[in-house]
Amino acid sequence: IAGITQAPTSQILAAGRRMTLRCTQDMRHNAMYWYRQDLGLGLRLIHYSNTAGTTGKGEVPDGYSVSRANTDDFPLTLASAVPSQTSVYFCASSRGEGGELFFGEGSRLTVL
Amino acid sequence: GQNIDQPTEMTATEGAIVQINCTYQTSGFNGLFWYQQHAGEAPTFLSYNVLDGLEEKGRFSSFLSRSKGYSYLLLKELQMKDSASYLCAVRDSNYQLIWGAGTKLIIKP
Repeated sequence: IAGITQAPTSQILAAGRRMTLRCTQDMRHNAMYWYRQDLGLGLRLIHYSNTAGTTGKGEVPDGYSVSRANTDDFPLTLASAVPSQTSVYFCASSRGEGGELFFGEGSRLTVL
Repeated sequence: GQNIDQPTEMTATEGAIVQINCTYQTSGFNGLFWYQQHAGEAPTFLSYNVLDGLEEKGRFSSFLSRSKGYSYLLLKELQMKDSASYLCAVRDSNYQLIWGAGTKLIIKP
């Protein structure tokens, strides 16, 4: 593993299903983030974690949850997917809070 | 509210120079970032400005004027591979990043 790895890279999901997007980094960065990117909009922060054991809500947290049990992993869970959650999801990390971001390759999620 | 404005799309010619502008209104300011994002790929870091002035890095330069709430990214000697979206982001007083919608740059031969 080099950098940030996200899985799956692409997924089609029925509405109402539960889905977890995985994110793992090997850079020992303290801060991690989940963004969604939709056409015509800037990246929007869903949840973040400044250090292992802590999480915070971003701009668009409703319908999503995260956990940060250790430094490397930061999964994003959609408890009951809805079509408006169709998007490209990017996980990112930084050495410190608000620093330069390193992004994963993204997970394209389609909710039908 | 917080706002970052960038042109939606720009077109330039291979070998030329292009300037992509970004204006911002945010709750405090703790730095401005530019990222490049090729279609279907992740954003990658280009530059960071926290003080007024020009930061040069090879063919790319970034300028900041905090009093005007303004930045630009200057790309010289354009290459076809520079076709991408360019994202402006400002770090606010809470150290959260506020993102612009991005500028899609099309390079023509």
